[in-house]
Parts: sequence; C-alpha cells; structure tokens
Amino acid sequence: EAGVTQFPSHSVIEKGQTVTLRCDPISGHDNLYWYRRVMGKEIKFLLHFVKESKQDESGMPNNRFLAERTGGTYSTLKVQPAELEDSGVYFCASTLAGLSEQFFGPGTRLTVL
Amino acid sequence: AQTVTQSQPEMSVQEAETVTLSCTYDTSENNYYLFWYKQPPSRQMILVIRQEAYKQQNATENRFSVNFQKAAKSFSLKISDSQLGDTAMYFCAYIADSNYQLIWGAGTKLIIKP
Repeated sequence: EAGVTQFPSHSVIEKGQTVTLRCDPISGHDNLYWYRRVMGKEIKFLLHFVKESKQDESGMPNNRFLAERTGGTYSTLKVQPAELEDSGVYFCASTLAGLSEQFFGPGTRLTVL
Repeated sequence: AQTVTQSQPEMSVQEAETVTLSCTYDTSENNYYLFWYKQPPSRQMILVIRQEAYKQQNATENRFSVNFQKAAKSFSLKISDSQLGDTAMYFCAYIADSNYQLIWGAGTKLIIKP
C-alpha cells in the first residue's frame, strides 16, 4: 500500500511568488493534517481536514495560506505571496481516525529567497 | 496551554549502549495520547511507540520502551542495544481527544557511534 506522498520534495522561490504544495494521503484515510517546521523550531500544526471539510484551521499563520481538499482525496496548500519567514519543511499526515497513528509524508522543503 | 518539552537537543552514544531520551508535557486534559516519532536523515517521520494516558502499563516495542509517569507528566523513551540505524531526530508528541492536533517537542538529535 502506498504511503503518504508529497510534491514537490523541494521548492525554492522568491519572496512574493506563489507556491502550491500537494499531499496525497493513504487511500481511505479521511483525516489529513498539515504541519510545518521552521528551522530550529518545533513542528507546528497548521490544519486538519476530515474528508473535504476543514475541521480545525487554528494553526494557519495568516491569510496568505490557503488549504483545500477537493473531493476528500489529495490536498493542496498554497502560499501567496510567499514571505521569507515561510521557509521551512511542510509535512502532511493522514490517519483513519482522529487519535490513530498519523502517517507522515516525506515533507516539502520550502525555501523563500 | 498544552506544551511538550524535550530538554536534550542532542545526544550521542556508542552502538549497543542503552540511551534514554526525556520528554515532559503539560496538559489539563484527562484523555490523551503520547507518541515518540523518529525522523531519520531521509526525512520520513516514523512512529516509534505510542502510549495511551489511561493505561498504567508502559508501552514497549522490541528495543524501545517508555517510562510513563502520569503524575509527573513525564514520558521518556529508552532505546536498548542501540543500533546505527537508530541515528535520527526523535520527537515527543502529544494529542488530546478534545482536538486532534499533535503538539510537538523540539526534538532530540540522537547519534549512534560505531
């Protein structure tokens, strides 16, 4: 069974540009999470989808970040316009039920210059 | 506020030794779960071990075991007979059933030396 996949693995963009990250969860996992680790800091929760609905988006830093999960399958996280402080590793995770083990993707390393 | 603290930024031990990574947390919740995740240099986060707060018995998974002290809000990870493949970042994490977001510690970089 395929695990959680993320695309791209790396992205280098200039300040002010737009970047879209994609996450494909494990098939059948209704719960999808986005996390972010900024260099030298803790991993922080961004948001949680249950199917196509946003269950909790309390961790989204500001309105430059937009997450979608159309059809309850893959999810995208768009940053527009990107700022220097957005640099970090963005992780996606999925799980069958809310408190079950979260399975993580390899992450997308975003560098904003 | 719910927080997780890992006080050891980096640790280094010889292969085959036993090492203990510390983790403390703060919460007012009654029902929660604790996890240790491992992130090897290849970056894929992998679950090492999980502990339900309502269980008194400490979880074990082969060479990995935890010392869960609920009253002290402590959740340390012991790795026995350490192997080179154990070299990784280790993250302690917490989740409550009032919301489903993982709260993470800062991580401990563990290096196993040959």
